[in-house]
Amino acid sequence: GQQVMQIPQYQHVQEGEDFTTYCNSSTTLSNIQWYKQRPGGHPVFLIQLVKSGEVKKQKRLTFQFGEAKKNSSLHITATQTTDVGTYFCAGHSGNTGKLIFGQGTTLQVKP
Amino acid sequence: GAGVSQSPRYKVAKRGQDVALRCDPISGHVSLFWYQQALGQGPEFLTYFQNEAQLDKSGLPSDRFFAERPEGSVSTLKIQRTQQEDSAVYLCASSLDSTGYSPLHFGNGTRLTVT
Repeated sequence: GQQVMQIPQYQHVQEGEDFTTYCNSSTTLSNIQWYKQRPGGHPVFLIQLVKSGEVKKQKRLTFQFGEAKKNSSLHITATQTTDVGTYFCAGHSGNTGKLIFGQGTTLQVKP
Repeated sequence: GAGVSQSPRYKVAKRGQDVALRCDPISGHVSLFWYQQALGQGPEFLTYFQNEAQLDKSGLPSDRFFAERPEGSVSTLKIQRTQQEDSAVYLCASSLDSTGYSPLHFGNGTRLTVT
């Protein structure tokens, strides 16, 4: 069945450094969504990408969807302590409404 | 406005007991999803509903797990004869439509501990 993999599993950075997490799917995706989960919290929707090669920005966050629609990345410029949490990608393929999540990348930021 | 509400927030069950977890989705949301999240892992899909119809239950780990949404609103996830491996956070999410393109709105989850 469809699988979504994320790397790295953990990333520790110094405040001000950049951070990137990568997401790869075993199948072509219709769309990809990104969520952030703070420690002790629940996943919160960040953004959705639909088109091949799409790039979207939210302040210091840049999201990309690969040309083949099988991979995606999230890049954070100049991390802040408020960026701490686990970032999940989630993909949906075919006609099903089922959204499959990656294992997440946990970001720790040292002040 | 009100978000997705789950109850109870925490549940401790002895091995072999039955449990029922409740989810109140956002009013008017067509789709409702159940996910299981083990510590340090991503949400694992269990099942989802479009209104009252259960369209996919491929993620339910065994026939001890059963979900329903009889009136297309509130949903209950029932686990019979709980086992220790069932210990996890059970997340419910709802979305506006059933296209797969609407964002999921998650509840705070129910943390189930089986002793």
